[in-house]
Amino acid sequence: AAGVIQSPRHLIKEKRETATLKCYPIPRHDTVYWYQQGPGQDPQFLISFYEKMQSDKGSIPDRFSAQQFSDYHSELNMSSLELGDSALYFCASSSWDRGSGYTFGSGTRLTVV
Amino acid sequence: KNEVEQSPQNLTAQEGEFITINCSYSVGISALHWLQQHPGGGIVSLFMLSSGKKKHGRLIATINIQEKHSSLHITASHPRDSAVYICAVRSTGNQFYFGTGTSLTVIP
Repeated sequence: AAGVIQSPRHLIKEKRETATLKCYPIPRHDTVYWYQQGPGQDPQFLISFYEKMQSDKGSIPDRFSAQQFSDYHSELNMSSLELGDSALYFCASSSWDRGSGYTFGSGTRLTVV
Repeated sequence: KNEVEQSPQNLTAQEGEFITINCSYSVGISALHWLQQHPGGGIVSLFMLSSGKKKHGRLIATINIQEKHSSLHITASHPRDSAVYICAVRSTGNQFYFGTGTSLTVIP
C-alpha cells in the first residue's frame, strides 16, 4: 500500500541557508501535518493543512512557512536556518472526513552545520 | 500539566512477559493513537481508537472514554518490541497532543 512519502530523506544545510521539505500524502488523504523532533525530544506539532487551507498552527517559527498544493502534497519552507533547526521533520496525513488514522512518513533528517 | 500522561516512562521486561503501558488524557478527543518509534526515528502508527478494543498480532489496545484512559498491551514480549511507545490524542478541536513516551526494553 502507498505510504506517506517525504523527500529528501536527509538534508545538510549551512546556517542562514534555506531548505524545502516535501511531503506526499496517502492518496485521498486531505489533511497533512508537520512535526519537528529534535534529538532526544518529543515530536512537536508545527502546522497542519486541510483541503489546502491552514487548519492549525503549533510551534512553527516565523522563519518557516508551509503550504498544501492542489494535489494535496505539502512543502515546508525553512529560511535563515539555525543550528537548532537540526531535527527530524515528520509529515503525517489523514482523511478528515473519514476519521481515519493518520500515517507518518519516515521523516526528513535535517542537519544544519 | 500535560494533556496526555503516560506511564511508566521506562520499562524493562524479560522476553515473554506481558507488558502494559497506560495513557490518561484530559481533553475531549475524537481519536487516540498509539505510536511506536524505533531508534533512528521512524514512527509507526499502531492503533487508532475511538472506543472499545483493537487487536493486532501480539498487540492489544483498549480505551475507556468515560475514564479518559487507554492501555497498550504486548503479549509474549520480544526483544524486537524494544522501542518508544507514544500515546497521542486528536482533540475534538482537531489539535494533537502527545504523551512523553514509554521507553520499552525487552531483554532476551
